[in-house]
Amino acid sequence: AQTVTQSQPEMSVQEAETVTLSCTYDTSESDYYLFWYKQPPSRQMILVIRQEAYKQQNATENRFSVNFQKAAKSFSLKISDSQLGDAAMYFCAYRTYNNNDMRFGAGTRLTVKP
Amino acid sequence: KAGVTQTPRYLIKTRGQQVTLSCSPISGHRSVSWYQQTPGQGLQFLFEYFSETQRNKGNFPGRFSGRQFSNSRSEMNVSTLELGDSALYLCASSLGTGWVQETQYFGPGTRLLVL
Repeated sequence: AQTVTQSQPEMSVQEAETVTLSCTYDTSESDYYLFWYKQPPSRQMILVIRQEAYKQQNATENRFSVNFQKAAKSFSLKISDSQLGDAAMYFCAYRTYNNNDMRFGAGTRLTVKP
Repeated sequence: KAGVTQTPRYLIKTRGQQVTLSCSPISGHRSVSWYQQTPGQGLQFLFEYFSETQRNKGNFPGRFSGRQFSNSRSEMNVSTLELGDSALYLCASSLGTGWVQETQYFGPGTRLLVL
């Protein structure tokens, strides 16, 4: 079974600091995509960043970057220069070529302190 | 472009009733996926519709059903509601290419409370 685990239910970071959110997944597939989604309070969920499993280079989107360790099945999200607007629930998700449904982790609630 | 819209935003029902939720995708998007979000189970995939056909289905009982219309709008129906069906139901639309990397755009959700 494909599962996604986010071991940190809550995280806190000081404004302008860096924070890393953890995600591990379990799969027997060799090709797949990994995603980080952000769900702000009472707002719509949006895609933050995605990573192709066959690409060794870690994806980067402005202040957001990932540390993808395929052998360890780990996909962490690093947020640099944290801003108040980064406060949200962050979900790690996984999707394979064979089974197109998105599997989500339980989420990590990020608080940004001014 | 207008985003994904879901109606109604809030709904209160009683056990045994049925409910229909609606989702209008972004213009040009042909795929609509539905998810159930609860504090205990997190986000779980219900089903995906593409070109009026169910293309993928999650592990939910037959009480949960859906359909898609020719204009890509989608509805999901839950019959014989149970207390455990209380959740935020999210709809997500995408182009429908079938590419696994395709971005899904989520709606604001419909919050269903079953009493």
